[in-house]
Amino acid sequence: ETGVTQTPRHLVMGMTNKKSLKCEQHLGHNAMYWYKQSAKKPLELMFVYSLEERVENNSVPSRFSPECPNSSHLFLHLHTLQPEDSALYLCASSQDPGSGELFFGEGSRLTVL
Amino acid sequence: QQQVKQSPQSLIVQKGGISIINCAYENTAFDYFPWYQQFPGKGPALLIAIRPDVSEKKEGRFTISFNKSAKQFSLHIMDSQPGDSATYFCAATSGGSNYKLTFGKGTLLTVNP
Repeated sequence: ETGVTQTPRHLVMGMTNKKSLKCEQHLGHNAMYWYKQSAKKPLELMFVYSLEERVENNSVPSRFSPECPNSSHLFLHLHTLQPEDSALYLCASSQDPGSGELFFGEGSRLTVL
Repeated sequence: QQQVKQSPQSLIVQKGGISIINCAYENTAFDYFPWYQQFPGKGPALLIAIRPDVSEKKEGRFTISFNKSAKQFSLHIMDSQPGDSATYFCAATSGGSNYKLTFGKGTLLTVNP
């Protein structure tokens, strides 16, 4: 495996479900990010982790809960989501936090029914 | 002040033509301006980037032009090819402890054969 891998690629869940998105980076980077991509909107930064410590929480609702157990893995735990949360969730990594050189995964397409 | 305004929203160019995408920003603290390219079903990938100490950067058929006084920068794709058809995002960051990479809304480029 190379780069940044995300699983699952597609996820459909009801509003009462609990699910998790997984991200793994194989680049030896020190920072990992979750971004939300919705149609016709700029990419929205959700969370930033630097060396496993959360350094940014961009006013994200508590129904999204990140977890970074080590510098290579990042999770996004989802519970009681709303239909407007349907989007492409992108994981990214960079050598250093604050670097504009992000390496993105292919994303997890989430549909909330 | 954190916004990056990108235009046009969509662009159709004939093969061999020049594609031009423009971005404007307000925050004078921004000091790194990357462009990302995203193909359908893939995550964004860093294409080319510039810092404000130069007015132009060229990599192959891709050139960034930067106008610091006007707070504008643009991406030029020379000899556009059908394989260049993708969504292009401009972005900006001030780096350091500011972890946020501010993205434009994207431009869908279609290059007709």
